[in-house]
Order: sequence, then structure tokens, then C-alpha cells
Amino acid sequence: DVKVTQSSRYLVKRTGEKVFLECVQDMDHENMFWYRQDPGLGLRLIYFSYDVKMKEKGDIPEGYSVSREKKERFSLILESASTNQTSMYLCASYLYTEAFFGQGTRLTVV
Amino acid sequence: DQQVKQNSPSLSVQEGRISILNCDYTNSMFDYFLWYKKYPAEGPTFLISISSIKDKNEDGRFTVFLNKSAKHLSLHIVPSQPGDSAVYFCAASGQGAQKLVFGQGTRLTINP
Repeated sequence: DVKVTQSSRYLVKRTGEKVFLECVQDMDHENMFWYRQDPGLGLRLIYFSYDVKMKEKGDIPEGYSVSREKKERFSLILESASTNQTSMYLCASYLYTEAFFGQGTRLTVV
Repeated sequence: DQQVKQNSPSLSVQEGRISILNCDYTNSMFDYFLWYKKYPAEGPTFLISISSIKDKNEDGRFTVFLNKSAKHLSLHIVPSQPGDSAVYFCAASGQGAQKLVFGQGTRLTINP
């Protein structure tokens, strides 16, 4: 079974803080993605990566950056957290067109 | 520009009856469609998929129908069970793209 692990289930951060969300997959997949889920908006793609040190912007990259130094790890960075970044963040690892998701990180910015 | 739309935010069905979840898409280049199920505080899990060369795919209680001319797909669950209560996301991809476009989700509630 593919395992995608996100480092935290719940996080509370203050406005202006730099926030790191970590994601690790154990199946040697090349493609990894970060989404956020908000009520009524579904899953929106923030950033994705096809390979180590490669990254591509998704539909809503503003206020975020990513890092992929190793194949199994894909990090999402909120440079300066704001209250409108309060959301559920989901990391996914892809095999062909099937996505395997982590358990999600519920981030609250106060 | 919402390329994949689930127009019903919620659906309530009695246990044992059929649940039908709908999804529409606008991009004619999409050729692969998936349904994901999500429980609260968990990541989505893959449920069933269909390629554009087919119009139906069945897996146990779950059947997905694809109508390419109408750009519409639906997920049928029969019989519905309490454990089916979750949010269901429709997703699509195309042209070999290695990413999925998701709909807004439909919250399904199965009532005893």
C-alpha cells in the first residue's frame, strides 16, 4: 500500500509566521502535489513537482512556496501566514493519474 | 473557471436506497475520470474510475456512468449504507496530464 504521511494533523500559527508543512511518500513516485480544501471550493491545486528540485505553480500559488530536495519529500511553505490561509492542506503522491493522499493538515492561522 | 462541477453541495438518502452523485465537466480533452471519497479529518481515498473509451464501470456497490456527449458522469451507490456518509469528489484528467482537476464535492448523508 502506498503511504503518504503529513507531519502534522493540526496546526495553529500566528499571522506573519513562516509555516512549514511536510509530506513524505514511500512509493518512489515522481509526482507530488499540494492541495487545499475549503468548503464549497473543493480541492484546489497550490503547487506540484514532477521531480527532485522541480516545481510548477498550480491554480492558487500566491503566498506559498515549495521545496523538493529529495524524491520522497515535498514541503509546502507559507512565507508569512495570513488568516485566509486557514484551511485543510492535502498532500498527494501520483502514480499515472491516480492520486494517493495523506491524512491532511488542518491549519488555523490566528 | 471551474472545469469540473458538482452542482449539488449535499445529498441525503435513506439507507438501502440508491445514491446518485452527479458531475459535469467542460473540457472536452479530459479522458479519464475518478471518484474520491473523503471522511472528516482524513485524506481523500480513491473509489472508482472510468476511461473515456467506456461508458460504464462497476465495482461492487459502486457504478460510474459516463456520457461524453453531455460531458456528464455520475456515481451510483446501491444499496446505500451508513458508512457511505462522506464527501465525494469527482476528478478528471486529460492529454496525459499528470494532474487531476477536482470538483467542489458533494456531502452524502445516509439516514437510517
